[in-house]
Amino acid sequence: QIQLVQSGPELKKPGESVKISCKASGYTFTDYAMHWVKQAPGKGLKWMGWINTYTGKPTYADDFKGRFVFSLEASASTANLQISNLKNEDTATYFCARRGRNGTYYRFDYWGQGVMVTVSS
Amino acid sequence: DVVLTQTPVAQPVTLGDQASISCRSSQSLVHSNGNTYLEWYLQKPGQSPQLLIYKVSNRFSGVPDRFIGSGSGSDFTLKISRVEPEDLGVYYCFQATHDPRTFGGGTKLELK
Repeated sequence: QIQLVQSGPELKKPGESVKISCKASGYTFTDYAMHWVKQAPGKGLKWMGWINTYTGKPTYADDFKGRFVFSLEASASTANLQISNLKNEDTATYFCARRGRNGTYYRFDYWGQGVMVTVSS
Repeated sequence: DVVLTQTPVAQPVTLGDQASISCRSSQSLVHSNGNTYLEWYLQKPGQSPQLLIYKVSNRFSGVPDRFIGSGSGSDFTLKISRVEPEDLGVYYCFQATHDPRTFGGGTKLELK
């Protein structure tokens, strides 16, 4: 069955870096783009951007340019999100979600379980 | 950026009632290819969001037919007839027509 399994919770200090992963299974990894969504505690969903799993090209929403990097380990069907120079406001749950390229499959039909990243001194 | 405004912010309901959620966009969501990429997601407490509706009115596999999406242009509605306990949670609309993609602020469906 199709699954997106994300890595475990992280506790970091301000200024540190974190890398979280999203391992896909049950489908051809390169057939679907991977998107990232942030949810701060008690808040709504915020779209961060996406990575083309076929070409590796990332696209970032403006608020996530600079300290955020999307990457792939395509051989392992895994998408990664790295955040550097962590700030308190990065405390959030981060979801990965797959999205088809077009047509009927152009929607977030499967989501990871989310990774809680806590930034605290 | 496209702003999606959801109303109400909270919708108290009695089980078995109908609920209606509005999602209004700051600009038309009709893509140059003629499609309208407006989606609805439900996030139950402690869970990841789950897809309900895509391209305005298409129910995702397994979504009960009591969920009905409608609308056009910049004005969209999600109706839930005969609310059941498993329908409670926060509903988000999402647009994928324009970059950056954006979510609405959410509507919490809760018991009266």
